[in-house]
Amino acid sequence: QSALTQPPSASGSPGQSVTISCTGTSSDVGGYNYVSWYQQHPGKAPKLMIYDVSKRPSGVPDRFSGSKSGNTASLTVSGLQAEDEADYYCSSYAGSGPVFGTGTKVTVL
Amino acid sequence: EVQLVESGGGLVQPGGSLRLSCAASGFTFSNYWMHWVRQAPGKGLVWVSRINSDGSSTRYADSVKGRFTISRDNAKNTLYLQMNSLRAADTAVYYCATEARNSNDAFDMWGQGTMVTVS
Repeated sequence: QSALTQPPSASGSPGQSVTISCTGTSSDVGGYNYVSWYQQHPGKAPKLMIYDVSKRPSGVPDRFSGSKSGNTASLTVSGLQAEDEADYYCSSYAGSGPVFGTGTKVTVL
Repeated sequence: EVQLVESGGGLVQPGGSLRLSCAASGFTFSNYWMHWVRQAPGKGLVWVSRINSDGSSTRYADSVKGRFTISRDNAKNTLYLQMNSLRAADTAVYYCATEARNSNDAFDMWGQGTMVTVS
């Protein structure tokens, strides 16, 4: 399984929105509605932010939203805050085991 | 408090072995499928292995198949990863994680990780 493709970096000013893409294939992202997104701060464990493409776990702010079109999933962070600065990884169910994305570093300017 | 605590990491020579443990507390461990995910220094997340709730079914990434063995002891609320024939490429922080019960391959609880260095 090849890693899903994410842009290496994204940035925005406080209050703005940033969208991160996650491109896979019909064998993973495009084939199932099981895309997840994780936030990871330096030296910390990942945290689940979105699952099943667009569902938010309890406690995750509604500023975080997910969507999917074809083989590409997206995470949008609206109303950027300083604490949103982190690495973000997508992941998709792929049958034999999940596959993660390459990761995107989000910088709040 | 829900908690996953990994242990067992350390420095090992190429070809050596290590057994990682992940102690679970604050939830019904036996209800959850469990996974190991690793992250090499400065790199991204990579799925390693998973085991179903009663331990009867396991899966592995191709990169570790035949060298790593995942297991669990539900009586002890503990997940294990036996790692043999270790290579430099296995150097990483190893996280255990629970699979969300209402999804497929979404990881809703994570441990703090344990570092494995093969050198």
